[in-house]
Amino acid sequence: GQQVMQIPQYQHVQEGEDFTTYCNSSTTLSNIQWYKQRPGGHPVFLIQLVKSGEVKKQKRLTFQFGEAKKNSSLHITATQTTDVGTYFCAVIYTGNQFYFGTGTSLTVIP
Amino acid sequence: GAGVSQSPRYKVAKRGQDVALRCDPISGHVSLFWYQQALGQGPEFLTYFQNEAQLDKSGLPSDRFFAERPEGSVSTLKIQRTQQEDSAVYLCASSLGIGRVYEQYFGPGTRLTVT
Repeated sequence: GQQVMQIPQYQHVQEGEDFTTYCNSSTTLSNIQWYKQRPGGHPVFLIQLVKSGEVKKQKRLTFQFGEAKKNSSLHITATQTTDVGTYFCAVIYTGNQFYFGTGTSLTVIP
Repeated sequence: GAGVSQSPRYKVAKRGQDVALRCDPISGHVSLFWYQQALGQGPEFLTYFQNEAQLDKSGLPSDRFFAERPEGSVSTLKIQRTQQEDSAVYLCASSLGIGRVYEQYFGPGTRLTVT
């Protein structure tokens, strides 16, 4: 299947530091969703972005959809140990094709 | 307020055995998805149902994989003649709406180990 690249693959941060993961596609996306998967757990939906340039916030999390609808970012301000997990973007192309990204694994050091 | 449930949670199969994995979606959810997740990777799409209709099975890796949802609720993913490369976590997800543009609720997964 198609590969949707996320960078970085791994990120270790001190508690309180900020964290950003990027999701990049070579083709235009219809929508993008973000999921969080805790170690040993299953993906949990965080948010969906639809519009070009859209920015959504959930407490310390900020999600952005690029103007060209080819990339997206998730930014966490002042990380906490509860933020530990792998963050996946899930992209939807026109034609309803749906792919998960490669994921960014976040470790927060207390 | 039950979520998506899957059974069994763990399955060990000898190579060549057939296995059946069950998914109970959230009641009333129209769409149901199956994914395969290898260790350290993102979930990979296998197949999609809208009610009882299997609208997309493009992700099934071989004809050994078969899925059904005969009454539009419970779904079963069957793998015949299991191979070692089938070892993975199999995730089921359901969503209220039609298609992939709705929030998906995932089950805990079935970890399949083929020895």
